[in-house]
Amino acid sequence: KAGVTQTPRYLIKTRGQQVTLSCSPISGHRSVSWYQQTPGQGLQFLFEYFSETQRNKGNFPGRFSGRQFSNSRSEMNVSTLELGDSALYLCASSLGQGNNSPLHFGNGTRLTVT
Amino acid sequence: KQEVTQIPAALSVPEGENLVLNCSFTDSAIYNLQWFRQDPGKGLTSLLLIQSSQREQTSGRLNASLDKSSGRSTLYIAASQPGDSATYLCAVFRPSGGSYIPTFGRGTSLIVHP
Repeated sequence: KAGVTQTPRYLIKTRGQQVTLSCSPISGHRSVSWYQQTPGQGLQFLFEYFSETQRNKGNFPGRFSGRQFSNSRSEMNVSTLELGDSALYLCASSLGQGNNSPLHFGNGTRLTVT
Repeated sequence: KQEVTQIPAALSVPEGENLVLNCSFTDSAIYNLQWFRQDPGKGLTSLLLIQSSQREQTSGRLNASLDKSSGRSTLYIAASQPGDSATYLCAVFRPSGGSYIPTFGRGTSLIVHP
């Protein structure tokens, strides 16, 4: 069974630009969640989608948004990039029902903002 | 607000030692706890998930325990090997919006030298 796939693996953008990251979950998984990992703040929850609906959102500004498609694939978008947005962005998928479904992570997208 | 602390932050041991990694959390009203490992530049790999009704889980050389009342979990690694070198993170899950939101610790960086 294929794991969680994130594209692209690396991205370099300039301040003020916007970026879209993609995540394909494990087949059969309906929940996709996104995280930001930085040396300063650690791993922080961004948002979670289930059946194309956002169920939860972390404490990030509105510049961070996401969506999920009917095939469970998900994208996240960051607009008006700032230097502080440089981070490893991770996506995870799970079955999404009940609390017994572990998270499975992709290898992330490394975003550098210059 | 849930806070998760992992001690120690770093650990360097010779091969063969038995190890204990600690995770503590401030809000005991969690629904499950999950342990992960992360290799440099990669995503997280799920190791063990302990449901709220369970006290421990075992997988191979790994054993994780959970004491909700004291807000603690430990990950025990038996007979450590160089391949165990990685950062180990714990995450506690709280209910929200019909789903669960994870809060991660900052991790324990483990080096096992031959």
